[in-house]
Amino acid sequence: EAGVVQSPRYKIIEKKQPVAFWCNPISGHNTLYWYLQNLGQGPELLIRYENEEAVDDSQLPKDRFSAERLKGVDSTLKIQPAELGDSAVYLCASSLGTGGGTGELFFGEGSRLTVL
Amino acid sequence: GDSVTQMEGPVTLSEEAFLTINCTYTATGYPSLFWYVQYPGEGLQLLLKATKADDKGSNKGFEATYRKETTSFHLEKGSVQVSDSAVYFCALSGSPRGYQKVTFGIGTKLQVIP
Repeated sequence: EAGVVQSPRYKIIEKKQPVAFWCNPISGHNTLYWYLQNLGQGPELLIRYENEEAVDDSQLPKDRFSAERLKGVDSTLKIQPAELGDSAVYLCASSLGTGGGTGELFFGEGSRLTVL
Repeated sequence: GDSVTQMEGPVTLSEEAFLTINCTYTATGYPSLFWYVQYPGEGLQLLLKATKADDKGSNKGFEATYRKETTSFHLEKGSVQVSDSAVYFCALSGSPRGYQKVTFGIGTKLQVIP
């Protein structure tokens, strides 16, 4: 069974440039998450989708970040324009079910962004 | 809101030493508790979990017991190996408004030396 796939693995851009990250969750997983992981820190939730609906985007900086999950499968996270402080690893995860449950998440390998 | 506090690393141990990584939590209701592990160059993966008080999660020689009275979920292993070198994250899953929200600790880096 294929795991969560993210691309690109690494991205280096100059500040003020746009960048986009793509995620393909495990087949059948209707819940999808984007997490931000700064160096030496734990993952912090940016946005969670239940199918196509963004059910928790309270931590997403909406002035420069946007996300979409068309057709309830793949998802894209965009930053425009990028700032130096956006340098981090962007993690995508997916899980089965909605509400309650065991909360087990399946993570991709992450996309490491460096903003110069 | 929910939060997880875990001991800061790095933790350096010799092979076959005993490991404890402390984790305490704050949550409303009855969360599920997890330990995730991140090996170098890889994504996070679930190591073990416990869904109710007094449950013990175990996997690959690691164990953790859900202690509601002390709000703790400490990770232990009796004899670590070099291959256990990784970053370990304690996490909890509460269910506000019926949604899954997973909150992670900052991670503890473990280095095992031969």
